Amino acid sequence: EPEVTQTPSHQVTQMGQEVILRCVPISNHLYFYWYRQILGQKVEFLVSFYNNEISEKSEIFDDQFSVERPDGSNFTLKIRSTKLEDSAMYFCASRVSETQYFGPGTRLLVL
Amino acid sequence: GEDVEQSLFLSVREGDSSVINCTYTDSSSTYLYWYKQEPGAGLQLLTYIFSNMDMKQDQRLTVLLNKKDKHLSLRIADTQTGDSAIYFCAAGSGTYKYIFGTGTRLKVLA
Repeated sequence: EPEVTQTPSHQVTQMGQEVILRCVPISNHLYFYWYRQILGQKVEFLVSFYNNEISEKSEIFDDQFSVERPDGSNFTLKIRSTKLEDSAMYFCASRVSETQYFGPGTRLLVL
Repeated sequence: GEDVEQSLFLSVREGDSSVINCTYTDSSSTYLYWYKQEPGAGLQLLTYIFSNMDMKQDQRLTVLLNKKDKHLSLRIADTQTGDSAIYFCAAGSGTYKYIFGTGTRLKVLA
């Protein structure tokens, strides 16, 4: 069964460094999403992406964040200058109809 | 704003039924979902229901939707130790972003 994959599974970085989280959505899906889950808290929507542009973003998704679909398969989330509070699990999701399928997540730790 | 609420914990004995409840605020929510998260793992889709349905059954899972009260429940029949996990309710609408609940931690006692 096709699935969403994410790399790396874990990332540790120093505050102020840039990180890129990678996702490979399910191949025929057209809509892509990033969510995050701070430890012990709700899963929060960050951004949705369709037809090579952002279709919606939350208040969390400020200028430090960007998304890109650099080729036909990858979907990336870049955090330009990481802060301690960016430490979280980041989930990528994709959909073609009404259901989003989530990847296993990247656990980001900012020190 | 949009919100989804769930109780935090539920403990049941193996073989009993579990009922996990969820309330949501956005009356335009078109789809309601249940996801399961095991420790250190991602979000596994369990089932979903369209807002024009009252009930959906899928093997051991039964979803009930009371649209008037904006209340959703997930019943797991014959709960097993492998069902121990966090269960998230999520509401989706026309924009398709999901609003997640806090998650209910289900503990199944042998």
